[in-house]
Amino acid sequence: GEDVEQSLFLSVREGDSSVINCTYTDSSSTYLYWYKQEPGAGLQLLTYIFSNMDMKQDQRLTVLLNKKDKHLSLRIADTQTGDSAIYFCAESRGSSASKIIFGSGTRLSIRP
Amino acid sequence: DTAVSQTPKYLVTQMGNDKSIKCEQNLGHDTMYWYKQDSKKFLKIMFSYNNKELIINETVPNRFSPKSPDKAHLNLHINSLELGDSAVYFCASSRGGAGGGNEQFFGPGTRLTVL
Repeated sequence: GEDVEQSLFLSVREGDSSVINCTYTDSSSTYLYWYKQEPGAGLQLLTYIFSNMDMKQDQRLTVLLNKKDKHLSLRIADTQTGDSAIYFCAESRGSSASKIIFGSGTRLSIRP
Repeated sequence: DTAVSQTPKYLVTQMGNDKSIKCEQNLGHDTMYWYKQDSKKFLKIMFSYNNKELIINETVPNRFSPKSPDKAHLNLHINSLELGDSAVYFCASSRGGAGGGNEQFFGPGTRLTVL
């Protein structure tokens, strides 16, 4: 995405934590999202965070938002082989938040 | 039951042809979208319709024309196909607009290959 940036690849050992980072530029973004895309499939929403929150936790997933630095991260605890996928960061924009801008995606691979 | 379905799943065609991709959602959502995902997995919105009305139209060539006969369907017609149109096209839907925490549900994608 032109204004949402992520590193392209991340490799972690099974059982370790994965941290996927994202930076965005639009300070008026209202919602920030993490989507997961498995091979040959469409995107699935994993979690989202409202811009006035710093952190959101959902089972193995922890989202951290640093609004000052426009930095979003997704931490996956105890990474499993089933977590192998591309993870997209996204932000909602527009006066009615009618558009979502996606990052380029981070491909997460798991080593045994 | 599939929530967002697209047909066809694969489409291989010659340059210059005209083709259509169909999308249907059975979730009762008001808003539908078309995205293009290129070979580097970069995902970009093309169009968005809310209750059959066009609300987002990104910088997309005029050869691409979306049509929404009703709020459960959003089809994409492409005229005079070019090599650069080769990509995976995803349809999605959401209850309200894209923001507001509304989850977008994605279809399985249509892989278009232009020869």
